[in-house]
Amino acid sequence: NAGVTQTPKFRVLKTGQSMTLLCAQDMNHEYMYWYRQDPGMGLRLIHYSVGEGTTAKGEVPDGYNVSRLKKQNFLLGLESAAPSQTSVYFCASNLQSTNSPLHFGNGTRLTVT
Amino acid sequence: DAKTTQPTSMDCAEGRAANLPCNHSTISGNEYVYWYRQIHSQGPQYIIHGLKNNETNEMASLIITEDRKSSTLILPHATLRDTAVYYCIVRRPFSNTGKLIFGQGTTLQVKP
Repeated sequence: NAGVTQTPKFRVLKTGQSMTLLCAQDMNHEYMYWYRQDPGMGLRLIHYSVGEGTTAKGEVPDGYNVSRLKKQNFLLGLESAAPSQTSVYFCASNLQSTNSPLHFGNGTRLTVT
Repeated sequence: DAKTTQPTSMDCAEGRAANLPCNHSTISGNEYVYWYRQIHSQGPQYIIHGLKNNETNEMASLIITEDRKSSTLILPHATLRDTAVYYCIVRRPFSNTGKLIFGQGTTLQVKP
């Protein structure tokens, strides 16, 4: 049981390049989330999904797209990376339960130059 | 969801109990108190949560005051590995949009 796995762990992009961050969970969780963490800003929700085939916008969705084609995977895409998207990205998941705690991955550190 | 206030930093001697306070004076009746921690460069880790009764698990104890306006997370025998940022979060049930407001948290430094 690996929990929540994020790939890659590190990435450097040039402005305008695109990439996809992958989040995989093996806990059969319904809900999945993408957060970004910046110094002094805490964690901010980008997008989330309450089930396979569904996604919704969080607090800071601009510049990102997501897809949940399979229950265990949640992809975060950057179509045209900008320096403002330099951040640490965390994926999380939890059960379809009102009080189920979130399980987080160990993050992807992205630098856009 | 109600806002929380935590001290910016705390120190604790290794082997002693670490008591981390959290103020949530605007908490409403159906909001739960959650604690997470984030060890350097890792993803946040769930510790414990509660509504109004005190809770204990293998990691920690959570003491919630009778008026529910504040709580304390207790790590009974702190180790160096407990050095981390600890976040107190108040969250409504049925609020499963994942909008956890983590705030700045308390940086706990466990010293030998």
